Amino acid sequence: DIQVTQSPSSLSASVGDTVTITCRASPAIGTYLNWYQQKPGEAPKVLIYAASKLQSGVPSRFSGSGSGTTFTVTISGLLPDDSATYFCQQTYSAPYDFGQGTKLEIK
Amino acid sequence: QLQLLESGPGLVKPSETLSLTCSVSGGPVTSDTYYWDWLRQSPEKGLEWIGSVSSGGTTYHNPSLQSRVTMSVDTSKNQFSLKLMSVTAADTAIYFCARDVYHAGEGTSKYWYLDLWGRGTLIAVSA
Repeated sequence: DIQVTQSPSSLSASVGDTVTITCRASPAIGTYLNWYQQKPGEAPKVLIYAASKLQSGVPSRFSGSGSGTTFTVTISGLLPDDSATYFCQQTYSAPYDFGQGTKLEIK
Repeated sequence: QLQLLESGPGLVKPSETLSLTCSVSGGPVTSDTYYWDWLRQSPEKGLEWIGSVSSGGTTYHNPSLQSRVTMSVDTSKNQFSLKLMSVTAADTAIYFCARDVYHAGEGTSKYWYLDLWGRGTLIAVSA
C-alpha cells in the first residue's frame, strides 16, 4: 500500500496569513494526489485534484503543487471561512488512502 | 444539480450485515465516466475509502475490507448500494457515498477525484 503522511496535524493562523500543508507519499505517486476541505458536520469538498488543478468554483487563494513523494496545498489571504480540516488523498493505486488530516484554526 | 443521499439503519448488531443505499437525484447513475464510491470516517481510522463501483458493475475494494464488502448499482432505481458483512464495533463510523470522476491527463492517464458527496449517515454497531 501507498503510505500517506500529512503534516502538521493542526495549525493556527490569522486572517490574511498564508499557510502551507504538506502531504508525503511513499513510494512515489506522480501527481495522483487530491486535497479536500471538511467542515464540522459536513462531507469533504474537493479543492485540488491531480496535485495542482483547482476544482471549479474553488477560490484561487487555494493552490497545490508537488509530484512524486511531496505535495503541498497553500492557502493565501486566509479568511475565517477557511477554518476546517484538510485532507490529502492518493489515487495512484488502491486502496486510495487519505492523510490523517490537518485542522486549521483561524485566530 | 446532481445530489447524493445515503440511507441506512442507523444501528446494526455485531455479526450482522450492514446495508446502505445511496440515492442519486438530478442525473443518471449510468455513465461511462463515473464511478460511485463508498467511504467512511471515524475518529479511530480517519477517512477510509471502502470501494468503487461502476454502473456496469465493475468494482474495486479496499483490501482491508474486500472479503466483507459487496457493492452494486441499480439503474432502475438510480441508486447504488453497499453491503458490509459480519460487522463489529470497529465498523462504527459515518458512511459517505460519493461520485468519482476523472480528469484526463497525458496519454491514457486518468486522475480520479471525488467531486460530489452525500451528507453522510452515522452507523453504530452495538448489541
